[in-house]
Amino acid sequence: EAQVTQNPRYLITVTGKKLTVTCSQNMNHEYMSWYRQDPGLGLRQIYYSMNVEVTDKGDVPEGYKVSRKEKRNFPLILESPSPNQTSLYFCASSQQPGRHTDTQYFGPGTRLTVL
Amino acid sequence: RKEVEQDPGPFNVPEGATVAFNCTYSNSASQSFFWYRQDCRKEPKLLMSVYSSGNEDGRFTAQLNRASQYISLLIRDSKLSDSATYLCVVNIVKYSSASKIIFGSGTRLSIRP
Repeated sequence: EAQVTQNPRYLITVTGKKLTVTCSQNMNHEYMSWYRQDPGLGLRQIYYSMNVEVTDKGDVPEGYKVSRKEKRNFPLILESPSPNQTSLYFCASSQQPGRHTDTQYFGPGTRLTVL
Repeated sequence: RKEVEQDPGPFNVPEGATVAFNCTYSNSASQSFFWYRQDCRKEPKLLMSVYSSGNEDGRFTAQLNRASQYISLLIRDSKLSDSATYLCVVNIVKYSSASKIIFGSGTRLSIRP
């Protein structure tokens, strides 16, 4: 089954404690991205990756890091989480971003709370 | 000004009604357009792409007006199962192989029996 998986689904942590949210896709997609979703603000892109070892900042990259060492995985790293990073996070992948025929496939989301 | 703007709603309409949403975008370099649907506490899923000539998929019709920079979604004969948040999505070409995908903040639709 074609899918994007994220782990963990729920996480409560404390300020300053490094964490990683994993994302994996089994569709051999080149493009992967991370979004955060907050009430009234919609989905905002954090980072994206056009291919292995190619990453770029989205609209809200501050406080986040990513890596793309393999095509299927795109982990999101919070080196020193702060309460303003409490949010719902989605990972997504697609084959041809920008094409009319493209579909973004989203993971189920990770709800993060930083105390 | 947001790059992609939608009326947040909520739209509360009776079953069987026709409802229309609009979305405006500010960047004329926008290349492709989509509507996604998001159910409460779930991930967004593609509803349909939006083509310049307009396109239809069953009860759903999407239209694009490049001159005025807006996209619309029309839902006919609405069903209870159409209750969701509808996200307008715009893809902007940044440079040769990179593109930026921007989501609107969504329009919430609630269909009542």
